[in-house]
Order: sequence, then C-alpha cells, then structure tokens
Amino acid sequence: DGGITQSPKYLFRKEGQNVTLSCEQNLNHDAMYWYRQDPGQGLRLIYYSQIVNDFQKGDIAEGYSVSREKKESFPLTVTSAQKNPTAFYLCASTPRRGGRYNEQFFGPGTRLTVL
Amino acid sequence: AQSVTQPDIHITVSEGASLELRCNYSYGATPYLFWYVQSPGQGLQLLLKYFSGDTLVQGIKGFEAEFKRSQSSFNLRKPSVHWSDAAEYFCAVGVLGAAGNKLTFGGGTRVLVKP
Repeated sequence: DGGITQSPKYLFRKEGQNVTLSCEQNLNHDAMYWYRQDPGQGLRLIYYSQIVNDFQKGDIAEGYSVSREKKESFPLTVTSAQKNPTAFYLCASTPRRGGRYNEQFFGPGTRLTVL
Repeated sequence: AQSVTQPDIHITVSEGASLELRCNYSYGATPYLFWYVQSPGQGLQLLLKYFSGDTLVQGIKGFEAEFKRSQSSFNLRKPSVHWSDAAEYFCAVGVLGAAGNKLTFGGGTRVLVKP
C-alpha cells in the first residue's frame, strides 16, 4: 500500500540533544512538508520541499533543519537551539501537477518529548 | 497573508444529533478549502475539499460543507453524529504560490459525543 511512514511513533530525548525524525513516502509525490502540532494551536509549518535538493523555511523554522537528498525521504532534525521541542510532529506530501493545487496527505506523526 | 479561525474549541453533541463546525477564513482570492479529521495520536485524514464549482461539497463519513463567499465561511455539517465521530477537526485554506502548495490551519475543534 502507498503511504507515508513516520518513525518512531514516540521519541524521548534529553534536553540539549539533537534528534532526527524520519519521514518516508512511496506515493511518488514531489513535495513534502513538516508540521508541528501543539494543543489548541492547530498545525504550523516548519519546512517544506518542492523538489529534491531544495527546501524552504516555513513559519517556525528556527531550531529545526531538514534535508531532501531523495524524493521519498524528508528527515527533520530538531536541534538543541529549539527552545520548546516537545510536540507532535506531522509529515505530509503532495504531488505537483501542472500548477494545480493538490491536497496534502499526512503521515501518522511522531510525538517527541524532551525530558 | 491567509488565516483560518475556528471559533469553537470544544463541542459536545449527543449521538444521533446534528453537528455543525464553524470555519472562517481570510484570503484575498478564491481559496482552496479543506476539512481534516484527527483521531487522538493519529495523523490527519481528509474529509472533504472545495476547489471550485458547486458550493455544497460532500465528503467521506457522511460529512458535507458549504462554501459561502459572502461570509468567508466553510462550515462542516453532519446530520446524525455517531460515537466514532469523536475527534478533532481542522479547517484549512490552501494557497498555490511560487513556492508551491501551502496550507494554513485553524486551531481545531474537538468534538465529544455523548451516548
């Protein structure tokens, strides 16, 4: 089955450590996204990538980094510079077709807790 | 910049009763509009979308939404709620820009279903 996988589902880290969240899709989608979700705040865009080897900052990129070396993979690193990293992180993807808008498909999420 | 407001943080409804979730958006052009549903600890599932055409759109699980340009609204409705509809619901507006597709989410409405 095609879809988006995120691993791990739960992640615990000590304060000051960098941590990398995995996102893989086998939908052959060009664009991929990372969102952060906090209670009562909806989803906020961290980074997005339209094509391989290219990505842009979203609304809350500070303290995060990404890479896009392969079309199917878009890992997110939460660095020690992120002041409040405990949150639920969601990855999404969408095809790019001729300038039309296409809906985003979401993975199951990773809950990161920094102790 | 676009924005989305979901005025109701929580709604409690009895099983079998009707449900309406409110969504107001701010955007200068015709928006692409979405409703997503999220069960606890899970990713987001698309319920329905509006791109153009008929302003009353049908979605999965018996949901429908109506786009009202004059009111900048895209309210979600279901005639008879089932216990399995208890979840968090997010309205979102999509923008197709030079950097590709972007989504802006509302803060979400949590629906509780009473037996």
